[in-house]
Order: sequence, then structure tokens, then C-alpha cells
Amino acid sequence: EIVMTQSPATLSVSPGEGVSLSCRASQNINSRLAWYQQRPGLTPRLLIHGASTRATGVPARFTGSGSGTEFTLTISSLQSEDFAIYYCQQCNAWPLTFGGGTRVEIK
Amino acid sequence: QVQLQESGPGLVKPSETLSLSCTVSADSMTSGDYHWGWIRQPPGKGLEWIGSVYHNGAPRYSPSFQSRITISVDTSKKQLSLMLISATPADTAVYYCGRYPGYTGYDYWGPGTLVTVSS
Repeated sequence: EIVMTQSPATLSVSPGEGVSLSCRASQNINSRLAWYQQRPGLTPRLLIHGASTRATGVPARFTGSGSGTEFTLTISSLQSEDFAIYYCQQCNAWPLTFGGGTRVEIK
Repeated sequence: QVQLQESGPGLVKPSETLSLSCTVSADSMTSGDYHWGWIRQPPGKGLEWIGSVYHNGAPRYSPSFQSRITISVDTSKKQLSLMLISATPADTAVYYCGRYPGYTGYDYWGPGTLVTVSS
């Protein structure tokens, strides 16, 4: 089973600032990584697939990068609606696995 | 637009079987090349992948649940099902169903249903 590790667990950021979230896979997953956003009380939403392709309707301030075992989600200028928990998921091999999440909170 | 809706008992007694259904609104269950899966989220915790089933019925399970779950699909009814036997309080969670096109993540999710395992 591929283990996904996200860091940090929590980020405290001011609105308008940029932020980078890290996701590491325990083995090579090529570019088969998805990022999800989960706002409080809501269903997770697919943000990025294929490590860097934004899902339909996702703003351009969200950028995914990386391949192999190291991945990054960058949010260029945080808006109020971006304060949420972000999860990565590897889609390269069964069983699919999620990272533990990074909470982005208002500073 | 694809819509998914989970349904099932909100309360299950310990040692009993947790059974959920997910109804899919669109024809993608019968016409597309998709997997259909279950993900859960214990209160205050992260997402856990439970398993998926291909539209032809071939399942894939997480090792964490493999001995206790059955996931099946009935494309004629556009329904996905989850059965988890020998439920314990640790199975208390919001259970989501979702569509997985393969390699690209779950692109559509149901709103989720809270299942509490308690006597």
C-alpha cells in the first residue's frame, strides 16, 4: 500500500498571502495525484488531477506540481473561501490512498 | 451533471451489518468507463478510501476493510451498495459515494451520510 504524507498539518495564513502544501508518496506514483478541498461541513471537491490539471471550474490561483514522489499544491493569493482542509490522493495503484490532510486556517 | 445520493440507516448497533446504497442520477453508470467507490470520514478526522467497483462489477478493496466489506453495483438500478459486517463504534463516520474515472480522482461525490454505530 502506498502511504501518502502531507505536511504541514496546519498552516496559518493571512488572506491575500500565498501558500504551498506538500504531499509525499512512499513510492513512485508518476503524476497520478489528485488534490481535494474540503470546506467545513461540506463534501470534498476535486481541485487538481494528474498532479497539475485543474478540475472544471477551479480558479487559476490553484496550481499543482510535481511527479514521482513529491508534489505541491500552491494557492497564490488566499481568498476567504480557500480556508479549508486539503487532501492529496494517489491514483496510481490499488488500493487508492489519501494523505492525512493539511488545514489552512486564517492567521 | 452527475448526482449521487447515499441512503441507509443512520444508526447501527455494534456487531450488526452496516448497509448503504448510493443512487446515481445519470447514465454514466451504464455508459461510461468508470469505477464507483466508497470513502468515509470519521468525525473530526481525515478521508479513508474503503473500496471501488468497476461498472462490470469487479471490486477493489482497501486492505483495512477487505475482510469485512462487500461493494457491488447494479447498473440497471443505477445503484452502488456497501455492506460492512461486524460494525464497531470505530466505524462511525460520514460515508460518501463517488465516481472515479480512473487515475484522475473522484470527480463527483454524494453529499455523504452519517452512520453512527452505537447500542
